[in-house]
Amino acid sequence: DAGVTQSPTHLIKTRGQQVTLRCSPKSGHDTVSWYQQALGQGPQFIFQYYEEEERQRGNFPDRFSGHQFPNYSSELNVNALLLGDSALYLCASSLEIGDFYNEQFFGPGTRLTVL
Amino acid sequence: EDQVTQSPEALRLQEGESSSLNCSYTVSGLRGLFWYRQDPGKGPEFLFTLYSAGEEKEKERLKATLTKKESFLHITAPKPEDSATYLCAVQAKQGGSEKLVFGKGTKLTVNP
Repeated sequence: DAGVTQSPTHLIKTRGQQVTLRCSPKSGHDTVSWYQQALGQGPQFIFQYYEEEERQRGNFPDRFSGHQFPNYSSELNVNALLLGDSALYLCASSLEIGDFYNEQFFGPGTRLTVL
Repeated sequence: EDQVTQSPEALRLQEGESSSLNCSYTVSGLRGLFWYRQDPGKGPEFLFTLYSAGEEKEKERLKATLTKKESFLHITAPKPEDSATYLCAVQAKQGGSEKLVFGKGTKLTVNP
């Protein structure tokens, strides 16, 4: 049973460029959340997708956008990259079962470096 | 605003030397408190979920406990392979809130 997968593993971009990161959730999961983790910090919530719609968003600018496909996979897009966007980007998947919480399982992350 | 504070920031132990990591939180109605382990350059690995004060969960050398204001991760007779950063996160009950709010983590080093 494949866990959460993310691509690419590493990415180097220059300021002002745009980037797309990809995530495939764990088998059977339908909800995808994205987090940004700066060096030495805990992950920070960017947004969550469920039923192909953004359900909740953290304190990130509109330069950060996303998408969820019918097969539950997801993309994170970042426009007009800044040096401060350099971080490990984590995708987490879970299963929506009403009011009951189901654990979020994380992928290995994509390391983005902005020069 | 939901907040999670972990202490200490870093902890060095000798193999076999038991200790505890602390996670204190403020949240408007706790839906769940989560412990993750993270190795360098990798994604967090799920360890435990705790839902209500008084709850305890164990896994090998790790035991997590929860009170109304904090959680502890007890490590009994640690081994070098337990070296990692341990992250604590909370999820609030407030309507529609799905996000996890993380602390900065405790970096644990276990020397042989």
